[in-house]
Amino acid sequence: RKEVEQDPGPFNVPEGATVAFNCTYSNSASQSFFWYRQDCRKEPKLLMSVYSSGNEDGRFTAQLNRASQYISLLIRDSKLSDSATYLCVGPSGGSYIPTFGRGTSLIVHP
Amino acid sequence: ETGVTQSPTHLIKTRGQQVTLRCSSQSGHNTVSWYQQALGQGPQFIFQYYREEENGRGNFPPRFSGLQFPNYSSELNVNALELDDSALYLCASSPTGGEGSETQYFGPGTRLLVL
Repeated sequence: RKEVEQDPGPFNVPEGATVAFNCTYSNSASQSFFWYRQDCRKEPKLLMSVYSSGNEDGRFTAQLNRASQYISLLIRDSKLSDSATYLCVGPSGGSYIPTFGRGTSLIVHP
Repeated sequence: ETGVTQSPTHLIKTRGQQVTLRCSSQSGHNTVSWYQQALGQGPQFIFQYYREEENGRGNFPPRFSGLQFPNYSSELNVNALELDDSALYLCASSPTGGEGSETQYFGPGTRLLVL
């Protein structure tokens, strides 16, 4: 099993929809997680950190479920400009090697 | 923009050649990490440098090597290039070193094609 797994999608949603992605991780010792956004042929850009208590930034909400070992990203009121690949990342066990998922592709259509 | 710069932006090499990629970290950041991103995949961690010392390495062979300089800029060197080395190489800087997947700021990447 890969250490960090994501459904590659694509998720095709209409403007205004609410969409959620999950990212599962295998190492229960992992402490810190992040969501990054990557546009086509561009570098990843930090979207938000994921805290145990949850983290909300405008239309975006990130949560961590330690019991089930997954993190989630919820996007409300989707915009066309939200179309991108969303990458989750966490440290890999005691070596603290950052491990990215393969990304989930989101396509928001009119 | 993050303030992280990389050069060159694109590069074409042939099998067996050697390549050096360069990265300038964001001002005030002393940690630089290098990643390889193949098409359709997430970035794969190559290694990290903190205050000029290697501080963690992913599952890459020794022909992938690096350096960090006193000004915290960094180089990634790849010897004996293979076709599978074709990828986007990303550099990321962060303000702290050591433990944890700290917030990282990525440069635009170098797209390497090996023929």
